[in-house]
Amino acid sequence: GAVVSQHPSWVICKSGTSVKIECRSLDFQATTMFWYRQFPKQSLMLMATSNEGSKATYEQGVEKDKFLINHASLTLSTLTVTSAHPEDSSFYICSASFDRLKQYFGPGTRLTVT
Amino acid sequence: QKEVEQNSGPLSVPEGAIASLNCTYSDRGSQSFFWYRQYSGKSPELIMFIYSNGDKEDGRFTAQLNKASQYVSLLIRDSQPSDSATYLCAVRGSGGYNKLIFGAGTRLAVHP
Repeated sequence: GAVVSQHPSWVICKSGTSVKIECRSLDFQATTMFWYRQFPKQSLMLMATSNEGSKATYEQGVEKDKFLINHASLTLSTLTVTSAHPEDSSFYICSASFDRLKQYFGPGTRLTVT
Repeated sequence: QKEVEQNSGPLSVPEGAIASLNCTYSDRGSQSFFWYRQYSGKSPELIMFIYSNGDKEDGRFTAQLNKASQYVSLLIRDSQPSDSATYLCAVRGSGGYNKLIFGAGTRLAVHP
């Protein structure tokens, strides 16, 4: 149980384009979803927290206009990286929670911006 | 001072030995503590969580919590090469939602 999927698993895009990443909880309803970014050999950095039907709460230093988060239902959240640049290349991971305690992670999306 | 601190390692142990991973945290109001395992290039996988002082065992894994010392540890018995990964300690802070604060992780290498 507690399976989270992400799509796509990897994506290459050109600088200036936008990329959308989907995060789905497959066998539970997620009251809260989280988006993280991880650079090589570094730990997870929380970008934002989102609850279904409400605006996401962004961490300090994360540009909300650049990283658009939509949490349209209890099983789906999307992260759109707008006007991507090479420095946005990273491993983006979502997690979902149904009990406000444990978080279950998706498999991650590796973004490369050329 | 970092909110959640872990030794980056690598921690090298022989196959069959006990691996001991440690974590300290700064928020005395923290109530929930988690250990995640992350293989290279993969996302974290929840392996243990503990809320109360003392020990919690699950198979080869034992989590230990000492809130007075603000210390949480993970013991892996009978370590296997497949246990080689980075282990992330995560602490749920005393603030809102269930935001987790992650340590930088300890890299464990189990050699045959």
